[in-house]
Amino acid sequence: NAGVTQTPKFQVLKTGQSMTLQCAQDMNHEYMSWYRQDPGMGLRLIHYSVGAGITDQGEVPNGYNVSRSTTEDFPLRLLSAAPSQTSVYFCASSSGQPYFYGSGEQYFGPGTRLTVT
Amino acid sequence: ILNVEQSPQSLHVQEGDSTNFTCSFPSSNFYALHWYRWETAKSPEALFVMTLNGDEKKKGRISATLNTKEGYSYLYIKGSQPEDSATYLCASPSGNTPLVFGKGTRLSVIA
Repeated sequence: NAGVTQTPKFQVLKTGQSMTLQCAQDMNHEYMSWYRQDPGMGLRLIHYSVGAGITDQGEVPNGYNVSRSTTEDFPLRLLSAAPSQTSVYFCASSSGQPYFYGSGEQYFGPGTRLTVT
Repeated sequence: ILNVEQSPQSLHVQEGDSTNFTCSFPSSNFYALHWYRWETAKSPEALFVMTLNGDEKKKGRISATLNTKEGYSYLYIKGSQPEDSATYLCASPSGNTPLVFGKGTRLSVIA
């Protein structure tokens, strides 16, 4: 199993450009989520999905879109990049929602470091 | 969103010392408390997911306790080793957010 994979590892964008961060998992996990990590802020939830076709907003969803057409893939789209979106982005998955013992343990991808100039 | 708080922010210990740190979380509508270990240049890895008041979990030299009534969890490391150096994160569902992370405790173990 590859686990959770993310591409690209690094990306530099100019303000106003759009792009998609890719996330895939091969563990047949229903729950997937996107976090951003900023210095002094910890991990903050952007969007999450409890299954194919179902997505919801987290703490900091503005400027980002997601979709979940398959169980395996959960791409994150930046619609019009802004310098405030410079961050490290982590995708995570779990077999169940984080509320529950036995299924909520999160498996994280390696991260994408994004710089917006 | 109610906060998940961790203390201390950072900690330096000598090899062989035992140490502990704290996670505080909203005790109302409690579901679960997660602990993760995050080494530099890697991704966070799950240590424990705890749901029952009074629960205690152990993995090698690392253990954790949970008090859901007062809203805190302790993580203990016995006989710290340099390879234990990492940031330790706790997280809990809060309000409508499935998982809210604390800012972490950065542990440095000096050989």
